[in-house]
Amino acid sequence: DAKTTQPTSMDCAEGRAANLPCNHSTISGNEYVYWYRQIHSQGPQYIIHGLKNNETNEMASLIITEDRKSSTLILPHATLRDTAVYYCIVRVTGYSSASKIIFGSGTRLSIRP
Amino acid sequence: NAGVMQNPRHLVRRRGQEARLRCSPMKGHSHVYWYRQLPEEGLKFMVYLQKENIIDESGMPKERFSAEFPKEGPSILRIQQVVRGDSAAYFCASSTETTNEKLFFGSGTQLSVL
Repeated sequence: DAKTTQPTSMDCAEGRAANLPCNHSTISGNEYVYWYRQIHSQGPQYIIHGLKNNETNEMASLIITEDRKSSTLILPHATLRDTAVYYCIVRVTGYSSASKIIFGSGTRLSIRP
Repeated sequence: NAGVMQNPRHLVRRRGQEARLRCSPMKGHSHVYWYRQLPEEGLKFMVYLQKENIIDESGMPKERFSAEFPKEGPSILRIQQVVRGDSAAYFCASSTETTNEKLFFGSGTQLSVL
């Protein structure tokens, strides 16, 4: 699976949009971009994933650049409960490639009141 | 639809004892993954199982650790002769066998070795 690069930490004011960047310059054509987060002492939580089109769900939006070498996770209205470590992961998926997710160091996001 | 269930939530063992950690995947999920998280560290992959098969155990320590996912019942991560360095949070995740499988994680088992 391709390597990703994320800032070690970020902070954001409560109520503002939190934009978390991720670089994945060696991503392959069949690799998806996934985002998970881990709130302190809890199990990781799936947020969103995409291949090349921008995606949005009830939790967040995922913006993938046209060359797919980077992406941004957007939490539109951050709350204190969004304080967590956010992981950007790229991996191949498919019937014959169900495989482990390798977590990097992630970005520690702190939301300021 | 219940999520991934792990038990016990907390497990205390003395050095040399055995630890058994259980994971019941979400209904309809046939893939199980185990991860370990040492204090203040990231999540490390241990093993990936399907029903009755170990698919990838590249992250499992060579000794004392074993995992199974029987046809019936939960997946079990077994640690024999525990040492203090085994103290960690152990997370289980499950997924379906579909194209864009998402992993759903349990709340983890916190193992403390005295």
